[in-house]
Amino acid sequence: QSALTQPRSVSGSPGQSVTISCTGTSSDVGGYNYVSWYQQHPGKAPKLMIYDVSKRPSGVPDRFSGSKSGNTASLTISGLQAEDEADYYCCSYAGSYTLVVFGGGTKLTVL
Amino acid sequence: EVQLVESGGGLVQPGRSLRLSCAASGFTFDDYAMHWVRQAPGKGLEWVSGISWNSGSIGYADSVKGRFTISRDNAKNSLYLQMNSLRAEDTALYYCAKDTTEWLFNPTSDYWGQGTLVTVSS
Repeated sequence: QSALTQPRSVSGSPGQSVTISCTGTSSDVGGYNYVSWYQQHPGKAPKLMIYDVSKRPSGVPDRFSGSKSGNTASLTISGLQAEDEADYYCCSYAGSYTLVVFGGGTKLTVL
Repeated sequence: EVQLVESGGGLVQPGRSLRLSCAASGFTFDDYAMHWVRQAPGKGLEWVSGISWNSGSIGYADSVKGRFTISRDNAKNSLYLQMNSLRAEDTALYYCAKDTTEWLFNPTSDYWGQGTLVTVSS
């Protein structure tokens, strides 16, 4: 079960937009519309930000959006705010045998 | 309010066993699949295991297959993880997480516990 590939870090200034990519294969990201994204602040439990590629749970600001093209999913955060600084993880369904695979995580720094 | 409270972690020697528990409240436990996800110190998230609402569908990561067993008791609103033949690389914070559906085909976790730390060392 290979982890999905994410950039180790991204950064942006307040108000700007950043996009975090998550690359998998046709057996996971590309094969199903079951990609989710989690935000994790230091010492805290992960928080669901996006599910089913582009859906937002209630309470998540619409500054967070998700998309997918082929084997790569993306999380875009617009209007960056200081509190967005955190680690972000993508996650995908990977079929009935492997079931679940996470990305390695991306550290977002708000400059 | 949904609450997931993990317990059972601790320091254990390599090769020994440990059983983690997760007490759930604030939702109808037997309507949802559940997962265990771990995070080694300073590392990323790793899915460990998942179980459907009725225990009819269960899955494991390759790294724990054959050593760990997930189970649930819907009457007690509890999730368990029996961990045998523990290795140093199993050292991690283990999270219990609630799925958004009753099955495992779309693993999305909308609530997480605070985790219980397992340290495997001699």
